[in-house]
Amino acid sequence: AQRVTQPEKLLSVFKGAPVELKCNYSYSGSPELFWYVQYSRQRLQLLLRHISRESIKGFTADLNKGETSFHLKKPFAQEEDSAMYYCALSVSRGSTLGRLYFGRGTQLTVWP
Amino acid sequence: DTGVSQNPRHKITKRGQNVTFRCDPISEHNRLYWYRQTLGQGPEFLTYFQNEAQLEKSRLLSDRFSAERPKGSFSTLEIQRTEQGDSAMYLCASSPGPLSRANTEAFFGQGTRLTVV
Repeated sequence: AQRVTQPEKLLSVFKGAPVELKCNYSYSGSPELFWYVQYSRQRLQLLLRHISRESIKGFTADLNKGETSFHLKKPFAQEEDSAMYYCALSVSRGSTLGRLYFGRGTQLTVWP
Repeated sequence: DTGVSQNPRHKITKRGQNVTFRCDPISEHNRLYWYRQTLGQGPEFLTYFQNEAQLEKSRLLSDRFSAERPKGSFSTLEIQRTEQGDSAMYLCASSPGPLSRANTEAFFGQGTRLTVV
C-alpha cells in the first residue's frame, strides 16, 4: 500500500543553519513526489515537485528511489521558512490514480 | 481571490444533524478533490471528480457521506447524522488535469472546519 512517512513532527533550527525535512515513501511503481507548505493562517500550497527538479525559495528535494526518500533541504534557513511542511505522493497508474497521499507533516520553526 | 473557495469556513453542529459544505474550484479545472484533515495528521483523501463524474471514493467515505458535482463546476459534500468523530478540517482542491502530468498541481481551498458537539 502507498504510504508517506515524515518521522519528525517538529523541527527547530536557528536562522542561517541548514535544514533537512525527512520524507520516506512506500510505493512499488514510479511515484510522483511533492512537498506542500502551509504558512500560518494560509492555505496549503505546492512548494515543489520532484519532476520539476527546481529550487523554490532555496529549497531542493531529490528523489532517491533506492532509499525511497524525498528529503527537503535548504542550506540556510530563514525565519520566513517557519511553516508546516507536508510530503505527498501521487501514483502514476492504477485504481488510485489521481489522489495524493500525504505524510503527517513537519512543523518547522526557524529561530532568529 | 480567484482561488478555490470553500463555504462555510466554520461549522458547529450538534451530533445527529446533517451538514453540507460547498467548494467552488478554480474556473475550468476539471478535477476536484475532497480531503479530510484531523489534528496532527496530514490531509486524507476522501473522493475526487473529473468534471461531474465521481471517479474514486476512499473507504473513509462512509455511507453517511455523499459528494456531488452536478454540473462539473462547484461541488458539495454532505455528512448525514454527524458524529463527534467527523470533527475535522474538510479541504477541497482542484487541478486542471491529472497530477501525474508535468506542471499540473492541486490548488487547495482554505477548508471548512467542522465541530460536532
